[in-house]
Amino acid sequence: GENVEQHPSTLSVQEGDSAVIKCTYSDSASNYFPWYKQELGKRPQLIIDIRSNVGEKKDQRIAVTLNMTSKHFSLHISETHREVSAVYFCALRGSTLGRLYFGRGTQLTVWP
Amino acid sequence: DTAVSQTPKYLVTQMGNDKSIKCEQNLGHDTMYWYKQDSKKFLKIMFSYNNKELIINETVPNRFSPKSPDKAHLNLHINSLELGDSAVYFCASSQTHEQFFGPGTRLTVL
Repeated sequence: GENVEQHPSTLSVQEGDSAVIKCTYSDSASNYFPWYKQELGKRPQLIIDIRSNVGEKKDQRIAVTLNMTSKHFSLHISETHREVSAVYFCALRGSTLGRLYFGRGTQLTVWP
Repeated sequence: DTAVSQTPKYLVTQMGNDKSIKCEQNLGHDTMYWYKQDSKKFLKIMFSYNNKELIINETVPNRFSPKSPDKAHLNLHINSLELGDSAVYFCASSQTHEQFFGPGTRLTVL
């Protein structure tokens, strides 16, 4: 199956600073790359996604980039605040109907 | 309205018992999934059904048996529970791209 590497596994930033999470993959057929946020005790929820025909996408303080040549995609959160603290998962869609391959998650902690 | 719901939310049971977790989605999606999330937060896919047909069956012990009575429901039955089965189990559904997750069922095997 597809292998998705996600780094770092833990990330601590000060409130107001930026946070960057990076993922790499190996399946060149992937064309859909979502990012999920999971708050403590809650379900994973989609926060942003990017498709293969787009290199960058922004939504307020969140941005994602995709480089299909190097098979890298990343999540950038700017002006972090404490409510941003959560586990973030990158993922990509494989060839089996609807299947997502998830990275192992990044525990992001924003401290005052 | 709840999009993807699971019952029960918590399940505490003894080793060797048999238990079931139920999942329902009212989004009209064709595809449903079961994931296991361990203490390290890794989301591991277990099964996927599309229109009541099994399409993904990962390396899961055959003590785990999914059942889809219709495309809005995907239940998970676990026989002879073991300590290592303790985890949070998430149901999810999708139609095209986004997967919508249920609230999770925290299973604790004593």
